[in-house]
Amino acid sequence: LAKTTQPISMDSYEGQEVNITCSHNNIATNDYITWYQQFPSQGPRFIIQGYKTKVTNEVASLFIPADRKSSTLSLPRVSLSDTAVYYCLVGDMGRGSTLGRLYFGRGTQLTVWP
Amino acid sequence: ETGVTQTPRHLVMGMTNKKSLKCEQHLGHNAMYWYKQSAKKPLELMFVYSLEERVENNSVPSRFSPECPNSSHLFLHLHTLQPEDSALYLCASSQDLAASSTEAFFGQGTRLTVV
Repeated sequence: LAKTTQPISMDSYEGQEVNITCSHNNIATNDYITWYQQFPSQGPRFIIQGYKTKVTNEVASLFIPADRKSSTLSLPRVSLSDTAVYYCLVGDMGRGSTLGRLYFGRGTQLTVWP
Repeated sequence: ETGVTQTPRHLVMGMTNKKSLKCEQHLGHNAMYWYKQSAKKPLELMFVYSLEERVENNSVPSRFSPECPNSSHLFLHLHTLQPEDSALYLCASSQDLAASSTEAFFGQGTRLTVV
């Protein structure tokens, strides 16, 4: 599994766009990039996943440059309720692999202020 | 609501007690996981089950004993725990063994306090 590096914390204000970058220099050809969100005392929740270029859904956008050694989660117009920990995961154990698992790092604590 | 339900939500137990955590999913998933999250620490993967067979055990102390009687249910049996075992215990499921191309669904967790 490729190691990921994210900022420990970020601060923003309501209505602003927030970009959280994750570095994954050792990403492999088959690896996908996935982001999860976790609120206190709750389980993580899937936000978005991508392989290359740009992916957008109703919650966020994910930008992946051509070399795929980093990725940026973009949250448009954040609100107070977006205060959470955001995790970047990179890897692909393949279907049928007996070692399939999800490993979470420390994530990025995003705090949105009024 | 993620489709993964954990009970109880909160549990306080003494070090000599025996208790069990329950996880249930009716998403038709084949893989289930137990994670531990201590305060200010990353999630720690404890156990992985695929089609009711344990496929990974990350050096978890024997006072934690998992059980997967069918693909919809997962238990974590607890006995003679220590205060440092107090944490949020999270259950997750995915369609197959987690590749990063597979979305995992987490339960709300059980907040365990060992006194």
